[in-house]
Amino acid sequence: DIQMTQSPSSLSASVGDRVTVTCRASQAIDNSLAWYQQKPGRAPKLLLYHASRLQTGVPSRFSGSGSGTDYIFTITSLQPEDFATYYCQQYYRSPITFGGGTKVEIK
Amino acid sequence: EEQLVESGGGLFQPGGSLTLSCAPSGFTVRSRYMSWVRQAPGKGLEWVAVFYTAGSTYYADSVQGRFIISRDDSNNTLSLHVSSLRVEDTGVYYCARATGYPSALDLWGQGTLVTVSS
Repeated sequence: DIQMTQSPSSLSASVGDRVTVTCRASQAIDNSLAWYQQKPGRAPKLLLYHASRLQTGVPSRFSGSGSGTDYIFTITSLQPEDFATYYCQQYYRSPITFGGGTKVEIK
Repeated sequence: EEQLVESGGGLFQPGGSLTLSCAPSGFTVRSRYMSWVRQAPGKGLEWVAVFYTAGSTYYADSVQGRFIISRDDSNNTLSLHVSSLRVEDTGVYYCARATGYPSALDLWGQGTLVTVSS
């Protein structure tokens, strides 16, 4: 199985900050990467797929980039509703696998 | 509005069995690749099983032999039967939709909590 390693596991930030999360795959995944947001007690929500493509209805302050094994998720200006846990997921090869998550907390 | 609604969670004893259900609205389960994903308390996401549109199934190694995913086209529901329950099966179980497998999961249900404890 492809292992997905996210970092950091948690971070503290203020409203308006730029936030970045990295996700590293154990092998190249050819941009077959999705990012999800999960708020406490809620289901995950798809934000980005194919590493950088915004899901319909997702604000443009969310973005993604990367290639090969290394991918970055960015929130350009953190909003109060963005405090949540974010997960990456590869779908290059079965089974799909998730990163361990990054919890974005209020500083 | 398209949505998924899971049911069937609760408190179960180790060694027992359970069946979870997932009912979509706004689309049919047979038109999508439908997965179950679970999340242990305070932990990350773990994919467990998928039902392909053509009718085949695929399981995570960690649950192979104990979990059975099935689809009822007449009732438009997806199910997950879990046998020989273990304490480590405790968590929230989500059903999720995709346009393929492997793929991103573009719609998730709200989840149903399964607690396995004596």
